[in-house]
Amino acid sequence: GENVEQHPSTLSVQEGDSAVIKCTYSDSASNYFPWYKQELGKGPQLIIDIRSNVGEKKDQRIAVTLNKTAKHFSLHITETQPEDSAVYFCAASIGDSSYKLIFGSGTRLLVRP
Amino acid sequence: GAGVSQSPSNKVTEKGKDVELRCDPISGHTALYWYRQRLGQGLEFLIYFQGNSAPDKSGLPSDRFSAERTGESVSTLTIQRTQQEDSAVYLCASSLVGTGGTDTQYFGPGTRLTVL
Repeated sequence: GENVEQHPSTLSVQEGDSAVIKCTYSDSASNYFPWYKQELGKGPQLIIDIRSNVGEKKDQRIAVTLNKTAKHFSLHITETQPEDSAVYFCAASIGDSSYKLIFGSGTRLLVRP
Repeated sequence: GAGVSQSPSNKVTEKGKDVELRCDPISGHTALYWYRQRLGQGLEFLIYFQGNSAPDKSGLPSDRFSAERTGESVSTLTIQRTQQEDSAVYLCASSLVGTGGTDTQYFGPGTRLTVL
C-alpha cells in the first residue's frame, strides 16, 4: 500500500544551524505534500506545503523541495531557534485524492540554545 | 472560536466501556476528518466527512469504531467495548472544501484516550 518514510526520527542542532528532514513516498500519483509542526499537547499545525507542479517553495526561514522523479521531498529550516523545537510530520496525498493524506512517522527536532 | 475544538481533552476508561469523542470544526468547513495518533507515531486516517456524509470510512480499524456528523458541524467518534490497543490521541481536522482540489486541513488539539 501507500507509504511515506521520514528521516531522521530525531534531530538535534545548535541554535542558528540548519535542519533538514527528508521524506520519501511510494504513490507516483501523489500531488500534494504538506508539512506539519506539532508542539507538545497540541494538534499539528501546517507550516508549509508544496504541490507537484512546483520544485521548491520558500517562506522566510522554511523551505520545501520536491523531486517527483525520485519521489522524495525535504523540509529545510535555516537559522534555527529554540522555538522551532517540536515534532515535524511530512504527508503526501494518496493518488489524486483531494482529501486523503498519509503521514510520515515524525521527526523530533531539538534546537539547543 | 476560531479553531477546531475537541472534547474531552483527556479520557480514561476501563476496558470494555464505550466512549464518545467530540469534534467542533471551524465554522463553514464542509470537510471533517478523524485521525488516530499512537505514541511516537504518525497520524493514521480513520474517516472523512463531506457535509454529513462519510464517503470514506476505510481507516476505521474495526466495527467497534463509528462516527457521525450532524448539521454539517459537530462530529462524534464512538468506540464501543474499548480495548487497550485503542489507547491513543484522537485528532480531528476540518477543511473548507475537501473536494475539487486539496485544501488545508486544520487540526484540533486532540483527545488523549487511555484504556486501562
